[in-house]
Amino acid sequence: AQSVTQLGSHVSVSEGALVLLRCNYSSSVPPYLFWYVQYPNQGLQLLLKYTSAATLVKGINGFEAEFKKSETSFHLTKPSAHMSDAAEYFCAVGPNGGFKTIFGAGTRLFVKA
Amino acid sequence: GAGVSQTPSNKVTEKGKYVELRCDPISGHTALYWYRQSLGQGPEFLIYFQGTGAADDSGLPNDRFFAVRPEGSVSTLKIQRTERGDSAVYLCASSQGLEEQFFGPGTRLTVL
Repeated sequence: AQSVTQLGSHVSVSEGALVLLRCNYSSSVPPYLFWYVQYPNQGLQLLLKYTSAATLVKGINGFEAEFKKSETSFHLTKPSAHMSDAAEYFCAVGPNGGFKTIFGAGTRLFVKA
Repeated sequence: GAGVSQTPSNKVTEKGKYVELRCDPISGHTALYWYRQSLGQGPEFLIYFQGTGAADDSGLPNDRFFAVRPEGSVSTLKIQRTERGDSAVYLCASSQGLEEQFFGPGTRLTVL
């Protein structure tokens, strides 16, 4: 069985500060891992994905995530937050293949001016 | 090209009624997924189609929920005898390979 835990339902940072959103996963097979962003009243948009290639994955809008097998983590980071980054972020895990993707409960990011 | 579209965007119904939610995937995408997102939660997998067949329907909560994709493109999620607990945003996604899923904006279902 697979599962995802996102630590912190809400994270608040100041504009220009580091963004760190935490995600831990559980998977009995090598996982595919994803981060999605959801803006209000919009669908989910893929930020980045890990599919067993490079462990440091770069995504859109300056976000990146590092797959750490020993820690079963896939934390999302961005060096400098922008106001436009305020949204809900979801970490997700899929089996090799990606269907039946399991999502975490989400972390809402607030960016203060 | 056009993304995944879902209709209606909002649906309000009364307890006990039947509803249909439609999903138009990206043209050429063979895989289609339905998820349910309750308030404050992440999307919850319902069903996955590969072509016309349901490859995995293990996420459907009970037999009041049913989904079809008769021609391998458009899909309809059908909910019979709706209950207040069915209120949620129903998301559809499609993909070509098995890595990236493209999501629609969702249908917000409210059962009064």
